[in-house]
Amino acid sequence: AQSVTQLDSQVPVFEEAPVELRCNYSSSVSVYLFWYVQYPNQGLQLLLKYLSGSTLVKGINGFEAEFNKSQTSFHLRKPSVHISDTAEYFCAVRAPSGYSTLTFGKGTMLLVSP
Amino acid sequence: GAGVSQSPSNKVTEKGKDVELRCDPISGHTALYWYRQSLGQGLEFLIYFQGNSAPDKSGLPSDRFSAERTGGSVSTLTIQRTQQEDSAVYLCASSLAPGGNEKLFFGSGTQLSVL
Repeated sequence: AQSVTQLDSQVPVFEEAPVELRCNYSSSVSVYLFWYVQYPNQGLQLLLKYLSGSTLVKGINGFEAEFNKSQTSFHLRKPSVHISDTAEYFCAVRAPSGYSTLTFGKGTMLLVSP
Repeated sequence: GAGVSQSPSNKVTEKGKDVELRCDPISGHTALYWYRQSLGQGLEFLIYFQGNSAPDKSGLPSDRFSAERTGGSVSTLTIQRTQQEDSAVYLCASSLAPGGNEKLFFGSGTQLSVL
């Protein structure tokens, strides 16, 4: 079984500042890692994913995340945020083989203010 | 359709009543998932369908919860004798196939309020 920990329930930040949203996971097998974003009054959408290969993955809207196997982390970063990035961000993990449940963290609310 | 459609978008019910939540996945998507989103709890997996069968029901919290999928398309989540702790947003998602690298497409959810 897998689990995901998002340590920060809320991250307030000023516009144009950099941001990092933290995600740590636990698994006895190798995993695929995902970040989903939920904008206000909208459904979740995939931001980016790590399957294999380069540990730095780039997603939509200027976000990127780095897979660190030794620290079992998959932190999400953006060098300069916009007001429109205000949303809830969910880290998720899934085992690669066959069917497996996509397990989500509890989410981090990113609040960008002017 | 263009995306995953869920209905109703909002449902208010009285404790003890039964409710049915509907999910219409993206056409051609064989895998369908139900999740529950509660404040501060993130997304809790409920059940997964591959075609019409449900190989993983491990997330259903009690026997008051059931789900079915007919014709490999529309799914209905039924909650019997609703309790106040059932209040949450119920999300449906679908994917083309059940593989681990498949992207899930989510609906906008049904906000269930049990009074």
